[in-house]
Amino acid sequence: DAGVTQSPTHLIKTRGQQVTLRCSPKSGHDTVSWYQQALGQGPQFIFQYYEEEERQRGNFPDRFSGHQFPNYSSELNVNALLLGDSALYLCASSFGQGAYEQYFGPGTRLTVT
Amino acid sequence: QKEVEQNSGPLSVPEGAIASLNCTYSDRGSQSFFWYRQYSGKSPELIMFIYSNGDKEDGRFTAQLNKASQYVSLLIRDSQPSDSATYLCAVISNFGNEKLTFGTGTRLTIIP
Repeated sequence: DAGVTQSPTHLIKTRGQQVTLRCSPKSGHDTVSWYQQALGQGPQFIFQYYEEEERQRGNFPDRFSGHQFPNYSSELNVNALLLGDSALYLCASSFGQGAYEQYFGPGTRLTVT
Repeated sequence: QKEVEQNSGPLSVPEGAIASLNCTYSDRGSQSFFWYRQYSGKSPELIMFIYSNGDKEDGRFTAQLNKASQYVSLLIRDSQPSDSATYLCAVISNFGNEKLTFGTGTRLTIIP
């Protein structure tokens, strides 16, 4: 049973650049949520995608955008990177609306210099 | 007041003893409660979820929920060194809003 996968594992970018992170959900799952986890903190909700649409959004600026494809995979894009965007970016997948158990991928460690 | 609060620890427990992790939440309408385990440098792993008042057991783990007190806990029986990790409590506030709101986590160390 394929779990949630994310790529790349690590990424180093320069302030002002743009980055795209990718996620494939667990087999059978159709909903993808993205979270940002700073060191020593719990994950913070960025947004959630279901049926290729953004269903919910957390308190993140418009520099953070996303997309979901027909095969349920998803991308997270961050523009105009700031030093404060350095974090572990986590993708979680679940099945359907109202399904609350979310399973996380291994994450992408983003470092902005 | 934070939405989900946990004691950051560290919590040290002797091997074989019971580890007790606690979490409180502020939204009285919260519906669903989760415990994730996160090893250093890894992503969170879902270990328990509970939706109704009372206890839910799974192997060495027991989740306890008291909605009246807005309190959820995780008990780990027969603690093993491999249980040493950060435990994250997460809450979903209401139906139709499936974002997880996390606490900052409790770091647990099992002492051999």
